[in-house]
Amino acid sequence: KQEVTQIPAALSVPEGENLVLNCSFTDSAIYNLQWFRQDPGKGLTSLLLIQSSQREQTSGRLNASLDKSSGRSTLYIAASQPGDSATYLCAVRPAGYNFNKFYFGSGTKLNVKP
Amino acid sequence: ETGVTQTPRHLVMGMTNKKSLKCEQHLGHNAMYWYKQSAKKPLELMFVYSLEERVENNSVPSRFSPECPNSSHLFLHLHTLQPEDSALYLCASSQDAGTDTQYFGPGTRLTVL
Repeated sequence: KQEVTQIPAALSVPEGENLVLNCSFTDSAIYNLQWFRQDPGKGLTSLLLIQSSQREQTSGRLNASLDKSSGRSTLYIAASQPGDSATYLCAVRPAGYNFNKFYFGSGTKLNVKP
Repeated sequence: ETGVTQTPRHLVMGMTNKKSLKCEQHLGHNAMYWYKQSAKKPLELMFVYSLEERVENNSVPSRFSPECPNSSHLFLHLHTLQPEDSALYLCASSQDAGTDTQYFGPGTRLTVL
């Protein structure tokens, strides 16, 4: 069974800092990997999706990388803002299923201080 | 109303009660999902429906009973729950069961006394 680990569990940084969130997974046979943001009372929002054949994806101040062979992904947030405060979840979709069967990490709770 | 909605947003129930959670999507999607998010545990996939047919039952106890009467509505019927079932229950939808992008509802916070 795929296991997904996120480090750190919580992170507090001053506004303006660049930061990196880490995600590791145990089985490299993946279809894709996705980063989500979870705000209290608002469910999950997809941020970036990386297919297994890709190395990275970028959206605005966010950049996600994927190293499938080593079972790692990172989410880079540039010039952090208080509005970035949320829990960030990494989810892996394993290969071999014809439907969305995501395995999620426990998340990194980010607090960006003004 | 747009997106994925869930009702109720909060629910407190005793172990002998029967209650239902409701999810509705206004996106014209064909696949819907139930997830459970417990404190200090990763989000877990419970059920997947594609075109109103269940395609995944992820070893969920029978005290949780899903129902998908049409592609826009998904229910989770609860019966004889345990305190450890207290969690945030999230519903999601996607265009098709194999489509990567899922849209999530805000969740129902369930407390079992």
